[in-house]
Amino acid sequence: AQRVTQPEKLLSVFKGAPVELKCNYSYSGSPELFWYVQYSRQRLQLLLRHISRESIKGFTADLNKGETSFHLKKPFAQEEDSAMYYCALSAVGAGTASKLTFGTGTRLQVML
Amino acid sequence: KAGVTQTPRYLIKTRGQQVTLSCSPISGHRSVSWYQQTPGQGLQFLFEYFSETQRNKGNFPGRFSGRQFSNSRSEMNVSTLELGDSALYLCASHRQSTDTQYFGPGTRLTVL
Repeated sequence: AQRVTQPEKLLSVFKGAPVELKCNYSYSGSPELFWYVQYSRQRLQLLLRHISRESIKGFTADLNKGETSFHLKKPFAQEEDSAMYYCALSAVGAGTASKLTFGTGTRLQVML
Repeated sequence: KAGVTQTPRYLIKTRGQQVTLSCSPISGHRSVSWYQQTPGQGLQFLFEYFSETQRNKGNFPGRFSGRQFSNSRSEMNVSTLELGDSALYLCASHRQSTDTQYFGPGTRLTVL
């Protein structure tokens, strides 16, 4: 079974401070990991996926298979980063790649 | 390119009734996945349709069903509504299973 854990419901940081949103997963096969973001009154949208290895809006995430983690990081928080962030996993190769298993989400609050 | 649209945006039903929700995917996308979002359980996968066939299914009772039409539009139906079915129902469209999922704004269902 797949499981995604986001241990923090709320993370408050000051503008300009580094951000790290934690995500741990449990899956015995080869996972694909994603970060989705939901800004206030907007729909859920993809922030980044690990296979693309892109940096989006200054965010990066590295898949650590040894620690089964996919933490989201940004060196300097901006006010516009305040949003709800969801980590998600897809079981590639298991015939269920379309099924995203989401964590419970972390609300990032950037304070001025 | 128009995004994913869902209708209606809000619904109020009473226990025992049934409801049908609609999702129109992005043009050219043949896969539609459905998710239920509740404060208690978070985002949970319901099912995925591709080319009018259900390809994956989550752990929901048989009261939850869906279908997809030849134009890729999808509907989900919930019969014999229960109070616990109150939730935000999201659909996501993608070209195929492994592609990025683009989410609609959701349908907020309230069961009284």
